[in-house]
Amino acid sequence: ELKVEQNPLFLSMQEGKNYTIYCNYSTTSDRLYWYRQDPGKSLESLFVLLSNGAVKQEGRLMASLDTKARLSTLHITAAVHDLSATYFCAVDLRGGSEKLVFGKGTKLTVNP
Amino acid sequence: NAGVTQTPKFQVLKTGQSMTLQCAQDMNHEYMSWYRQDPGMGLRLIHYSVGAGITDQGEVPNGYNVSRSTTEDFPLRLLSAAPSQTSVYFCASREDRLAGDLPLPTDTQYFGPGTRLTVL
Repeated sequence: ELKVEQNPLFLSMQEGKNYTIYCNYSTTSDRLYWYRQDPGKSLESLFVLLSNGAVKQEGRLMASLDTKARLSTLHITAAVHDLSATYFCAVDLRGGSEKLVFGKGTKLTVNP
Repeated sequence: NAGVTQTPKFQVLKTGQSMTLQCAQDMNHEYMSWYRQDPGMGLRLIHYSVGAGITDQGEVPNGYNVSRSTTEDFPLRLLSAAPSQTSVYFCASREDRLAGDLPLPTDTQYFGPGTRLTVL
């Protein structure tokens, strides 16, 4: 059974600081997604990581995937208040099972 | 494109009532799915479909039925609502590319706005 663990679950940081959210998963997969969710809203796709060593960047967010370590990271650079949201990683089981398994989410609060 | 649409946005049911949550997408995506989101639990897959006429169970299928008669629509039915089904429900769709017998996702999932369901 695939398990996806995110940490930390809650993160409070100051504007201008850097931090990393970690996503560990328990079985082999080469496809991982990051999503953002604002309170009361739906999920917005941030990144799709499709292979070992994949790195993608958008603005102050950068995501990477290490399939051998079964680890993805979401790095936040020089945080701003607008990045306050809950961030989810989700892992696709290899073999076309078509089942996304989500982590519990990391609630990020960026304080002025 | 309207993307993925869901109705209703909010619903209150009494225990034992039945209802259907509607989901539609206009992107011609083959793959559609239903998730529920509960506080502190992330999203959990209820049912999914890889094309019209094909459905399968996800992680938490009990108490829910689905059907997929068209590519566009993927309704979720609650047969006899229970308080444990109080949740926010999200429908999602994704384009798939078939490789042999195994569908391979080529894109991310697009989520609908959600339905907030309360069962009393």
